[in-house]
Amino acid sequence: GAGVSQSPRYKVAKRGQDVALRCDPISGHVSLFWYQQALGQGPEFLTYFQNEAQLDKSGLPSDRFFAERPEGSVSTLKIQRTQQEDSAVYLCASSSALRASGIVISYNEQFFGPGTRLTVL
Amino acid sequence: GQQVMQIPQYQHVQEGEDFTTYCNSSTTLSNIQWYKQRPGGHPVFLIQLVKSGEVKKQKRLTFQFGEAKKNSSLHITATQTTDVGTYFCAGSGGYQKVTFGTGTKLQVIP
Repeated sequence: GAGVSQSPRYKVAKRGQDVALRCDPISGHVSLFWYQQALGQGPEFLTYFQNEAQLDKSGLPSDRFFAERPEGSVSTLKIQRTQQEDSAVYLCASSSALRASGIVISYNEQFFGPGTRLTVL
Repeated sequence: GQQVMQIPQYQHVQEGEDFTTYCNSSTTLSNIQWYKQRPGGHPVFLIQLVKSGEVKKQKRLTFQFGEAKKNSSLHITATQTTDVGTYFCAGSGGYQKVTFGTGTKLQVIP
């Protein structure tokens, strides 16, 4: 089936512009993650959703970053008043959950999208 | 917060040589995952380890989870040029948020 998709793949923004990055997770995946990956670095956690609930946003660098997943599927990461230090690849990942008697007992691997490369000039 | 370090940062090996990357967490982990990222690509899941002292093999790759569940290693036997990429460990402390390690970039010289 289809994997995780992200759009746009590349985005160039002028400093101060707002941007919106979209993630389409694998259908049926409960969990959705956003990561920021700077050049030569590992992915840095930004935020995590379980269905439509944002359970952890501790990684968001500032209040200029906002993420939502209103219907528990597609998610949008919005960055307001972009700065040069926001330039990075933004990765989205989704995963399913193993359930026993309706209770989540563990989570499975994360499937990553191709990422959106954001360049702020 | 939780920190996950990997060594070495870079490794160049001759094709056919073995390669090992080590992952150390500042806190005890619930589980650890390993990912491979090819140049220009996105991370691709390799394996998940859950049990203390667990060892899993995938062809030429051997993954190990430490007894204290604070460290892990990935060993590749007889490297091939297709093994080129950056290998990340990613540790979870108990719920699904994972913290990625700093990564080891492997270069294989033909």
